[in-house]
Amino acid sequence: RKEVEQDPGPFNVPEGATVAFNCTYSNSASQSFFWYRQDCRKEPKLLMSVYSSGNEDGRFTAQLNRASQYISLLIRDSKLSDSATYLCVVFTSGTYKYIFGTGTRLKVLA
Amino acid sequence: DTEVTQTPKHLVMGMTNKKSLKCEQHMGHRAMYWYKQKAKKPPELMFVYSYEKLSINESVPSRFSPECPNSSLLNLHLHALQPEDSALYLCASSQVVGVGQPQHFGDGTRLSIL
Repeated sequence: RKEVEQDPGPFNVPEGATVAFNCTYSNSASQSFFWYRQDCRKEPKLLMSVYSSGNEDGRFTAQLNRASQYISLLIRDSKLSDSATYLCVVFTSGTYKYIFGTGTRLKVLA
Repeated sequence: DTEVTQTPKHLVMGMTNKKSLKCEQHMGHRAMYWYKQKAKKPPELMFVYSYEKLSINESVPSRFSPECPNSSLLNLHLHALQPEDSALYLCASSQVVGVGQPQHFGDGTRLSIL
């Protein structure tokens, strides 16, 4: 089993739709969680950190479920510009490593 | 605009060449990283520097040699690379290696080995 897993998609959604991605992690000692977006042939850009109580940034909401060992990203009112690959990243202090998920590809259609 | 600057943006080299990739950040971050990314795959960690000392080497072949001359600079020296080393090489930095510290990425060097 991979340490961090994501559904690769693609998720094809119409503009204005709400879409959610999950990311599961295997190491229960993992402590920090992040969502990045990566456009084709570009670098990953930090979208948001994920806090224990959940957090929101505009149309984006991130949540952490420690009991089931997954994080989620909800995008409301999808825009064409949201089309990208969304990568979850998990940090575990025992290994001092940031582990990337395989990414979920989102296409928002006009 | 990214606050982590990488040069060059593109590099084409033969298998016998020696070249270097450079990365610079002025955010006062004390952790810097090299990643390799192939198409449609997530970034793979190569090296981690913490307070200018190499703390993680992910069993990277010796034809890749990292160097951290000071807290703002990170180099990756390349020698005798193979065609399968063609990839996007990403540099990242974070305040420190630690809980709650996100990484910030440069826009990468796209490397092609002939």
